[in-house]
Amino acid sequence: GAVVSQHPSWVICKSGTSVKIECRSLDFQATTMFWYRQFPKQSLMLMATSNEGSKATYEQGVEKDKFLINHASLTLSTLTVTSAHPEDSSFYICSARHLAAEINEQFFGPGTRLTVL
Amino acid sequence: GQNIDQPTEMTATEGAIVQINCTYQTSGFNGLFWYQQHAGEAPTFLSYNVLDGLEEKGRFSSFLSRSKGYSYLLLKELQMKDSASYLCAVMDSNYQLIWGAGTKLIIKP
Repeated sequence: GAVVSQHPSWVICKSGTSVKIECRSLDFQATTMFWYRQFPKQSLMLMATSNEGSKATYEQGVEKDKFLINHASLTLSTLTVTSAHPEDSSFYICSARHLAAEINEQFFGPGTRLTVL
Repeated sequence: GQNIDQPTEMTATEGAIVQINCTYQTSGFNGLFWYQQHAGEAPTFLSYNVLDGLEEKGRFSSFLSRSKGYSYLLLKELQMKDSASYLCAVMDSNYQLIWGAGTKLIIKP
């Protein structure tokens, strides 16, 4: 149990276009979902925390108008990178916290590799 | 500020034992997690400690001392597939995960 999926797995797009990444908890309900970004050979960087039905909380330095997060249900959160540029190329990973979790563990999706040309 | 420290890289031999240390300073404590991350993949959960002591799970064990702000991950009978980055993360008083930079473990035959 506790499986999180992400779609797409990887995407290549032209500079200036927008890209939407979906994060789904497949077999559990997630009160909270997290979006991370990871550059090569670096650790995870939390971008934002999203709770179902409310606005996402963004970390300092993350532009909320550029990285749009929608958490429409307890099993789905989306991250849209608007007007993507080459510097946005990164590995984007979502995680979900189980509604009934005993230890507040975060279950990670497989990640989405974004390359902006 | 909040801080998680762990070595950048370690090398060990197949079949041996390795200990990866993690020290932390956070605002509050709601548990410490260890995750394994292979290159190009998302992290996978290894262990969770919230009370002092040793938690054993097969070849992997994790230890916590809250008074010292210290944890270690112990990997026994190392296999080549254990080559990965190991991430230490502490959940603070706001239930936010604070991540270490990760320790890259290289296993040699």
